[in-house]
Amino acid sequence: GIQVEQSPPDLILQEGANSTLRCNFSDSVNNLQWFHQNPWGQLINLFYIPSGTKQNGRLSATTVATERYSLLYISSSQTTDSGVYFCAGSGGTASKLTFGTGTRLQVTL
Amino acid sequence: KAGVTQTPRYLIKTRGQQVTLSCSPISGHRSVSWYQQTPGQGLQFLFEYFSETQRNKGNFPGRFSGRQFSNSRSEMNVSTLELGDSALYLCASSLVYSQETQYFGPGTRLLVL
Repeated sequence: GIQVEQSPPDLILQEGANSTLRCNFSDSVNNLQWFHQNPWGQLINLFYIPSGTKQNGRLSATTVATERYSLLYISSSQTTDSGVYFCAGSGGTASKLTFGTGTRLQVTL
Repeated sequence: KAGVTQTPRYLIKTRGQQVTLSCSPISGHRSVSWYQQTPGQGLQFLFEYFSETQRNKGNFPGRFSGRQFSNSRSEMNVSTLELGDSALYLCASSLVYSQETQYFGPGTRLLVL
């Protein structure tokens, strides 16, 4: 099955800083999603982005499918951005999402 | 539109017991997937249901089973609970295919003593 690597595993930022999270896939994917898990465990879908670039407020994501990676950009970070960010993907006809191990982000004042 | 709901939110069981968790998808969504999240193994796919049929299955023992009803609500059952089954169980729904945007419920935290 597909392997998903995320980096960095941990990130501490001061409020207002920018950051880039990376996700690498071992094989091509036709479904790639980014999620934010808040401290209560709720997974929130941020982007469905199998290719190209999308933006939503201070967040944007880019997937380069041919090179099997995706980036999540967080600009002007806020304390509410803290939590764990997961990318997940599936390829071929597989309907299951394979998750990375996540990037734990802490934004401090 | 109401989001994905899961019941119960918290559960404490003892080894050897069985447990049933419930998931109601977003109205109109027909695909329901289940995931297990543990500190050691991370987020792992359990199974996916669509139109009352299991469409895909992860690598979990047969003690883990599920079903989907005609209204798309889904249940998962774990029999003969083991300590290692303690986890956050997450349900996700999507319109038709799990390759589409998936929306997750708040999860059920299961503690096995």
